[in-house]
Amino acid sequence: EVQLVESGGGLIQPGGSLRLSCAASGFTVSRKYMSWVRQAPGKGLEWVSVMDSGGIIYYADSVKGRFTVSRDNGKNTLYLQMNTLRVEDTAVYYCARDSGGATATGMDVWGQGTTVTVSS
Amino acid sequence: QLVLTQSPSASASLGASVKLTCTLSSGHRSYAIAWHQQQPEKGPRYLMKLNSDGSHSKGDGIPDRFSGSSSGAERYLTISSLQSEDEADYYCQTWATGIRVFGGGTKLTVL
Repeated sequence: EVQLVESGGGLIQPGGSLRLSCAASGFTVSRKYMSWVRQAPGKGLEWVSVMDSGGIIYYADSVKGRFTVSRDNGKNTLYLQMNTLRVEDTAVYYCARDSGGATATGMDVWGQGTTVTVSS
Repeated sequence: QLVLTQSPSASASLGASVKLTCTLSSGHRSYAIAWHQQQPEKGPRYLMKLNSDGSHSKGDGIPDRFSGSSSGAERYLTISSLQSEDEADYYCQTWATGIRVFGGGTKLTVL
């Protein structure tokens, strides 16, 4: 079964750091594009970052320089390292299997999300 | 700038049909999009990829009641025979190298 499971969310003070994990099963993360998407309370979906199958990573301007994406091929897991957190980073964070190029289909598998609350 | 525009809300009666619209920004009318459904208190669910010519490919397990179509810069999601579980937020999403974009979402109420 194709599945994504996020973990690592929690309550953190402004300026702090947190690392989210996204464990994949049923497919190989390193062969796919993978995205992080967040949703602030009561708001819509906001794209955060995409890593392509070659390991090239792009970030939304709102997180550039503060967030870093990486992956562990042996664990088939994607990570989101979040530094210098701000109150406005409070959101549910989702990872999603993505795609690119001429055969792109959009984000076709989603995790259940993990909640990050930035508050003093 | 690549932007997707959706109406904030829509409503239709149980058993009826509804057509949701997603509009691509100027200069991007040839782009494909994806439609996603988010039921209350749940994560998003992929519905389909929708091309500019109206051809579409649905995700696993998506009922035939869901279909897509296109006209110019408009991308549509039609849901027929509305059921109570179709009450949800619907997001369109598109992509280019180095960027992913979501529309603001449409909240569908089933009356």
